[in-house]
Amino acid sequence: EAQVTQNPRYLITVTGKKLTVTCSQNMNHEYMSWYRQDPGLGLRQIYYSMNVEVTDKGDVPEGYKVSRKEKRNFPLILESPSPNQTSLYFCASRGGTSYEQYFGPGTRLTVT
Amino acid sequence: KQEVTQIPAALSVPEGENLVLNCSFTDSAIYNLQWFRQDPGKGLTSLLLIQSSQREQTSGRLNASLDKSSGRSTLYIAASQPGDSATYLCAGEYGNKLVFGAGTILRVKS
Repeated sequence: EAQVTQNPRYLITVTGKKLTVTCSQNMNHEYMSWYRQDPGLGLRQIYYSMNVEVTDKGDVPEGYKVSRKEKRNFPLILESPSPNQTSLYFCASRGGTSYEQYFGPGTRLTVT
Repeated sequence: KQEVTQIPAALSVPEGENLVLNCSFTDSAIYNLQWFRQDPGKGLTSLLLIQSSQREQTSGRLNASLDKSSGRSTLYIAASQPGDSATYLCAGEYGNKLVFGAGTILRVKS
């Protein structure tokens, strides 16, 4: 089954404790991206990647890092999480001749 | 700045009714427009994608149209069912990102 997976699905952590949210897709897609969803602000892009070793900032990249060492994986790294990064995070991918984007199930992060 | 607006913010209809959800965008240089469905606590499910060269797409009871000149897209749902209750999001693709609207919360009453 073609899918985008994220782990963990739920995470509660404390300020300053480094964490990584993993994202993996099994569709051999070149393009992957991360979004955060906040009430009243909607979904906003954090980072995206056009292919292996090619990443760029989205609209809200501050406080986040990404890496793309393999085509299937695109982890989101929070080096020093803060409470304003409490949010619902989505990973997405797109590839081939289709412009359709596929989203993962989301990761709900709470930083206390 | 690219902005996407959805009207109405919420909609409640009786089962069986046909309905239209509206989406407008400020920048007509849109690559494509995608409609998604989001259930509470869940991810986004792609419903329809309309490329910039297309005018509409259909899937089952859903029909989406795109008018770049007026900056509008509509999602038409025929014969609505309680299972259609969800938040519907439209998103315009610009370059390497999707710009999302705030969504329309749809409730279909049985």
